[in-house]
Amino acid sequence: AQSVTQPDIHITVSEGASLELRCNYSYGATPYLFWYVQSPGQGLQLLLKYFSGDTLVQGIKGFEAEFKRSQSSFNLRKPSVHWSDAAEYFCAASGGNTPLVFGKGTRLSVIA
Amino acid sequence: ETGVTQTPRHLVMGMTNKKSLKCEQHLGHNAMYWYKQSAKKPLELMFVYSLEERVENNSVPSRFSPECPNSSHLFLHLHTLQPEDSALYLCASSQDPALSRGNTIYFGEGSWLTVV
Repeated sequence: AQSVTQPDIHITVSEGASLELRCNYSYGATPYLFWYVQSPGQGLQLLLKYFSGDTLVQGIKGFEAEFKRSQSSFNLRKPSVHWSDAAEYFCAASGGNTPLVFGKGTRLSVIA
Repeated sequence: ETGVTQTPRHLVMGMTNKKSLKCEQHLGHNAMYWYKQSAKKPLELMFVYSLEERVENNSVPSRFSPECPNSSHLFLHLHTLQPEDSALYLCASSQDPALSRGNTIYFGEGSWLTVV
């Protein structure tokens, strides 16, 4: 079955430190991949997406993600985290003609 | 300002009440979605509409009844809900339900529902 796994439920990083959020997928072929962010009490905002081509994709707010086919991963990174990045992050995947499947999310806390 | 607007943002209803959630998208999209987000559970796709036709219904209880009168509006009618239905209900839209042409799903800010 198609699935998306985010192994880390909660991550805490210091402001200014680098960040990597993990995402693994299980699909028959390379899916379309997305990262969304959800601030408390808000809806989901698209950070970036991968459909094909360059495996390193740039998104908004200084985020980037790298698609690694060999590892079935699409990890989200940011070189320097700001306090305003504290939120819930969701990885999602689709087979193209199927609706998005979301991971359970990773909650990011940022400490001073 | 989001292209997908949901009202009300917060709703408290009794188990015998009938209420509706409303969603409007200003993006010119043809597909609209209802998702349910509960604590500690992944987002659950409830319904998908494409050009006002329901194309997906993920075994949602009949106490949830969607309505899509046109491509810009989507409703979720609620009746005789249970406390476990308390959740954040997210509306979303995309150009069409198939993502193969680079479409992306855009979400509203959600409607917080509490069933008492």
